[in-house]
Amino acid sequence: QVQLQESGPGLVKPSDTLSLTCGVSGYSIRNSNFWAWIRQPPGKGLEWIGFIYYSGDIYYNPSLKSRVTLSVDTSKNQFSLKLTSVTAVDTAMYYCARVGTSGSYRYIDSWGQGTLVTVSS
Amino acid sequence: DIQMTQSPSSLATSVGDRVTITCRTNQSIADFLNWYQQKLGRAPNLLIYAASTLQSGVPSRFSGSGSGTDFTLTITGLQPEDFATYFCQQSYTTPYTFGQGTRLEIK
Repeated sequence: QVQLQESGPGLVKPSDTLSLTCGVSGYSIRNSNFWAWIRQPPGKGLEWIGFIYYSGDIYYNPSLKSRVTLSVDTSKNQFSLKLTSVTAVDTAMYYCARVGTSGSYRYIDSWGQGTLVTVSS
Repeated sequence: DIQMTQSPSSLATSVGDRVTITCRTNQSIADFLNWYQQKLGRAPNLLIYAASTLQSGVPSRFSGSGSGTDFTLTITGLQPEDFATYFCQQSYTTPYTFGQGTRLEIK
């Protein structure tokens, strides 16, 4: 059964780059799935950041596209998120996730536990 | 972006009740609609995809319906473990978007 685990700094300074990695176990990242990052500011709703296929196909949310980079490392079975020029509004719980598919339907069928990233000096 | 509006935003209810949560979109998304449950301090959990397909392992008291712009999640016979926040999410077109959530509280 697939397990996902986020890792990275919990505190990032304003204007710095937020970097997170998601380790995937129990499942090959090369399987036919997209891998996603989603965030949730404290007490608020969910925002889709983007998703990536192991071959390199990537989708970014246009609202964040200028600051986001997703990448995959198949040798380590992990994928990563970089978000540049962060501000306090980027403070959120960041989740990595697997995108499941059934025909043309897509949904998040597995989530990491989430990691809280606070942007503060 | 497709806007998702859930109602109500919160609901006080009791064990055993039948609960209906509504999700409305500002344009048609056919049946590309998913429902998630999120318990406090936990990651969301998929309940239903394609508007009405129950995810494996999810109790049958959960059901979904709708197409186009109007969708519902129904819980028949609310259990203590169902007090949580519920989100809808569309996967019709990118950027995929979520509703703001409906919080079920104990009456």
